[in-house]
Amino acid sequence: DVKVTQSSRYLVKRTGEKVFLECVQDMDHENMFWYRQDPGLGLRLIYFSYDVKMKEKGDIPEGYSVSREKKERFSLILESASTNQTSMYLCASKLAGPTDTQYFGPGTRLTVL
Amino acid sequence: KQEVTQIPAALSVPEGENLVLNCSFTDSAIYNLQWFRQDPGKGLTSLLLIQSSQREQTSGRLNASLDKSSGRSTLYIAASQPGDSATYLCAVRGSGNTPLVFGKGTRLSVIA
Repeated sequence: DVKVTQSSRYLVKRTGEKVFLECVQDMDHENMFWYRQDPGLGLRLIYFSYDVKMKEKGDIPEGYSVSREKKERFSLILESASTNQTSMYLCASKLAGPTDTQYFGPGTRLTVL
Repeated sequence: KQEVTQIPAALSVPEGENLVLNCSFTDSAIYNLQWFRQDPGKGLTSLLLIQSSQREQTSGRLNASLDKSSGRSTLYIAASQPGDSATYLCAVRGSGNTPLVFGKGTRLSVIA
């Protein structure tokens, strides 16, 4: 069974703090993704990575950065958290190529005060 | 740019009813379409994946169909149960290894 884990289920941070969200998958997947999900807006892609040390901007990369130093780990970084980054953050992974299933982690509910 | 629409946004049915959830997409040049289930406050669970060359996929009480030329997919749930209550999302993958494009989901409530 594929397992995608996220470092925290709930996180509360202050405005201006640097925030790290970690995602780890155990199935040797090349591709990894970070989304945020907000009511009425659905799932929006922040960044994705096709493989180690690679990264691509998604639809809403502003205010975020990512790191992929190891194949199994994909980190999302909020350099200076703001209240409009309060959201549910979802990580996902899949094998390379267009035909495979995408697997999601349980999500991190981030609140920025 | 690919757009995915799911109608209705919310649906409430009595237990035991058969139901259909709809998904439409604007660009028919897709590799596959995937249906997911999401329980409140949780991540997404993959239900069915239909490749562009396929017409349908089945898993238990779930059946998903794909009509690529018309840009439509349906998820059929037979004999619905309260445990089916969740949000159902569809997503399409375009050419190459492009990321999935998601609809906003249909929130389903099955009333006992």
